[in-house]
Amino acid sequence: EVQLVESGGGVIQPGGSLRLSCTASGFTFSTYGMNWVRQAPGKGLEWISYISSNSGGIFYADSVKGRFTISRDNAKNSLFLHMNSLRDEDTAVYYCARGVHMFISGWYFDYWGRGTLVTVSS
Amino acid sequence: QSALTQPASVSGSPGQSITISCTGTSSDVGGYDYVSWYQQHPGKVPKLIIYDVSNRPSGVSNRFSGSKSGNTASLTISGLQAEDEADYYCSAHTSGTTLGVFGGGTKLTVL
Repeated sequence: EVQLVESGGGVIQPGGSLRLSCTASGFTFSTYGMNWVRQAPGKGLEWISYISSNSGGIFYADSVKGRFTISRDNAKNSLFLHMNSLRDEDTAVYYCARGVHMFISGWYFDYWGRGTLVTVSS
Repeated sequence: QSALTQPASVSGSPGQSITISCTGTSSDVGGYDYVSWYQQHPGKVPKLIIYDVSNRPSGVSNRFSGSKSGNTASLTISGLQAEDEADYYCSAHTSGTTLGVFGGGTKLTVL
């Protein structure tokens, strides 16, 4: 069974930093692209970052570019999101979501974690 | 990158069919056959229901179908059931420096 479990959320002051983690199980983590998607309270989904299976391809949404860094450790089946210079508008549930297999072209998220809440507030 | 445009809400009665549109540009919806749809019940995790415009993952009801024409993708739900009441989001691959974008979401009410 595919499982994605996020951790690392919490309350942080504006301008602060936080690192989110996502631990994967039930599939060969090193062969899938991975994503972070967030959802502000009462709002819609926002894709924020993607990392390819071998970390060779990394993309960000304009809203987080230059402040957030995505990374992964295939040996530990883990995905990370380093968040710096946090703003009030970064308050959201952050989901880890599996992308497509390395040998497939496409754009979808077929498995999601339950999310971790990040609250930016003074 | 602007979000894809979806109607804020749609409604239908049990047994009816409804369609939710998702309008983008030639750089996203119109440029690739990489449109996906997600269903999210309140307080729950989003669930993939359509990928690559019109494909259903295993286990998703065949009452859900997807299509695309030009820069607009559509999700159709036939034989509406009470359990279909949820928020629905489209997403598409984009060209340029980002990689993808979501629509603003559509709240489906089953009357």
